[in-house]
Parts: sequence; structure tokens; C-alpha cells
Amino acid sequence: NAGVTQTPKFQVLKTGQSMTLQCAQDMNHEYMSWYRQDPGMGLRLIHYSVGAGITDQGEVPNGYNVSRSTTEDFPLRLLSAAPSQTSVYFCASRTNVRPYEQYFGPGTRLTVT
Amino acid sequence: EDQVTQSPEALRLQEGESSSLNCSYTVSGLRGLFWYRQDPGKGPEFLFTLYSAGEEKEKERLKATLTKKESFLHITAPKPEDSATYLCAVQPYRYYFGNEKLTFGTGTRLTIIP
Repeated sequence: NAGVTQTPKFQVLKTGQSMTLQCAQDMNHEYMSWYRQDPGMGLRLIHYSVGAGITDQGEVPNGYNVSRSTTEDFPLRLLSAAPSQTSVYFCASRTNVRPYEQYFGPGTRLTVT
Repeated sequence: EDQVTQSPEALRLQEGESSSLNCSYTVSGLRGLFWYRQDPGKGPEFLFTLYSAGEEKEKERLKATLTKKESFLHITAPKPEDSATYLCAVQPYRYYFGNEKLTFGTGTRLTIIP
């Protein structure tokens, strides 16, 4: 049972490049989310999904796309990278019963130059 | 607007020295308050969910409590392995638990000195 896995662990992009951050979970959780974590700002929700084929925007969705074709996978796409997207990105999945325990992946540290 | 403020930003304790971390929140009705632990370079790890004022949860040396305006994470006789950043998050009533719109605080960085 690997939990939530993310790839890559580190990535450097040039402004304007696109890429996909991968996220997978093997716990059969319906709910999955993407967060970014910046110094002094706390975790902020980018997009989330309540099941395969269903996604919605979070607090900071601009510049990011998501899709959910399977229960296991929830990739995050950066359409045209900008320096403001330099951050640490976390994928999470959680149960849909109390206590709504959320499991986070190890994170992807992204630098956009 | 929902707000979560954690204090102090950083706390250094001697091993065995008990203390408390504070999470003050402003929401239009609280559905749930969450505590997480985060080690450097890793993702947050779930600790507790609290649902209503007066509720308490315990896990090893940690105890979380909840009032209508704040939550405390009490750490009793801490050990060096308790060193981490502790995050608090809230979910207001206008979002059902299928909706992921949590508001996180910026965390308290706890260091336990042997």
C-alpha cells in the first residue's frame, strides 16, 4: 500500500513551458485535491475532485488544469508556467467518512525561471 | 472571509517541557477543524478532526481541544521526535464534507531540544 505518490519530486521549468504533475493513490479514495504551499501563506487549494469525471476549482485555480479519468489518478497540468507558480505542490486524497482523514503525497518542488 | 491564525509562529521547548499551540479561527459556522503535522520536505500528516466546541481528541503526547473561537494543541512531556510544523485548518458550514475548501493556517514550527 503506497498511499499517495507524486512525480516528479523536483522540477525546473522555463517561463511559458507546460508540464504535468502526476498524482496517484491506491486507497480507493473518491476525494482528491491539489494544494500549493508557499512560505507565509499556508496551504491553498488549487483544484479538487469528488470522483472520476468530477472536478471543481479551489481557491487558486488560474493557470492550472485537472482531469480525473480514473479513481486512482489526478494529474495537475500547468498550461504556461509563470514564476508566480514557483511553489511546493501537494496532492491529497481522503476518506468520505469521519474523521475525513486526508493523506498527502510527498510533494513536488517546482521552480519556474 | 474565513481566517485561521496560528500562534506562536515558532516555539522552542526543552524535552519534557509541556506547552500549547493555538489556532484561532473566524468562520461563519464551523463544520470541522483539522490538525496536521508536517515534517521538513514532507507532506502534512493528519492528526485530528474536531467537530464541536468542548470536544477533545488525544494521541500519544498530543491533545487537541476546541472552543467556539479557537483550538489548542497541547503537547505533554514532548520528545525531540515531536519536532515538526503543526498546521490547523477549518471547514465552514457552507461547505459540506464532500467539498474540499479548507482554509489552512500558516503553522507553528515546534522544536524540541534534547
